This record gives sequence, structure tokens and C-alpha cells, in this order.
Amino acid sequence: DAGVIQSPRHEVTEMGQEVTLRCKPISGHDYLFWYRQTMMRGLELLIYFNNNVPIDDSGMPEDRFSAKMPNASFSTLKIQPSEPRDSAVYFCASSFPGGKEANVLTFGAGSRLTVL
Amino acid sequence: LAKTTQPISMDSYEGQEVNITCSHNNIATNDYITWYQQFPSQGPRFIIQGYKTKVTNEVASLFIPADRKSSTLSLPRVSLSDTAVYYCLVGLYSGGYQKVTFGTGTKLQVIP
Repeated sequence: DAGVIQSPRHEVTEMGQEVTLRCKPISGHDYLFWYRQTMMRGLELLIYFNNNVPIDDSGMPEDRFSAKMPNASFSTLKIQPSEPRDSAVYFCASSFPGGKEANVLTFGAGSRLTVL
Repeated sequence: LAKTTQPISMDSYEGQEVNITCSHNNIATNDYITWYQQFPSQGPRFIIQGYKTKVTNEVASLFIPADRKSSTLSLPRVSLSDTAVYYCLVGLYSGGYQKVTFGTGTKLQVIP
């Protein structure tokens, strides 16, 4: 397996533009997580899915953020409109369901977003 | 989800053994203890997981005392490439849903 695949790796955009980040989890992993990492706030959990269903989105900062998982092999995180304070590295991760395996996450390489 | 406390940073010379301790006083009976490593510009990477006593793999050892209120990650003979942030997590998917949240981690700097 190629691991968790994220795109784009780098995105530079202007304030007010829409940003879409993409993630392909590892086949067979039923959990999918979106995290955001900044120097100030560390690694924050934004939302996670189980079997394509959003379970907890309490970490999503505002209504400008939305995430979808239309099928088991694809998820998107959208920011509309983007703001400079959204600049961060966004990670996607996936894991097997159940028991201790649910805590063993495989992370993607991340998408570094810069909003000017 | 049990809260964890670990040192913010540590320094070590190359070749030494490094022990990073994590406190998790309110760990639940079914909780596992999981450690991750994160290099700059990369996502966190799973290192080791345990429930009690000692677990060892090719990367590290994890020591968990009988009361399980703390755990110690041991890295034998560290090298410069072990410079990273190390996160301790406690929690278990228990039939409901488990949020996997990361704390501040311990930034380990290995010195030549």
C-alpha cells in the first residue's frame, strides 16, 4: 500500500479564495482523521470519520471549514473563504477500527497551506 | 480521554539512552498507551503501544508500572536522527468512538 496520500503538498492562495485539500486513506482503514498543525496550537484534531460518516467535528474552527468523505477511499477538507490565520500544515490520517488498533494512526505527508 | 503530561523538551548526547516519561493519572481500565514520533515537516509516526509491564520493538521500549498512571518511552543509544517530537497518547476505542488527540509532546534534541 502507498500509505495515506494527500494533495496538494503545498498550496499558496490569497485571502478569500476557496481551498480544497484531498486525502486518500489506506485501503481497509475505517477511520479517517483530519488534523491541523501550527507552532502556536500544536496538532489539533479537526474532524474524524468512521465508515465515511462524520463522528465528531467539534474541532472544526468555523463554518468556513467543511469536510466530506463520499466514499471509503477519498476525503476532502474545504476552507471557504480562506483567511491568513488558516495557514498551517493539514494532516490526514487513517486507522483500522476496533481495539488498540484504533489508536495506531498512519499519517499522510501533509498539505502546507499559506494564505496571503 | 485520559489527559497526559510530559516534559516539553529534553536534550541528550549521541549514544546515550533516553527515557521520556508521560503521566496519565486518570487512565481508564481499558486504555492503551501509544507513542508517536514526529520529524520536522512530516506527519507523526507510530512507534510503540502497550497496556502493562514492558513492550519492546526494533525502535524503542515502553515501560508501564503496575498502577499504569505513567509510562516511560526508552530510546537506546540515540543518534542525531532521533531528534524529533515524541507524543504520548492514552485512549481506546471501546465500542463507542475514540477521539485521538495529541498533547504538546516532548521535543528531543540529540547533540553530537
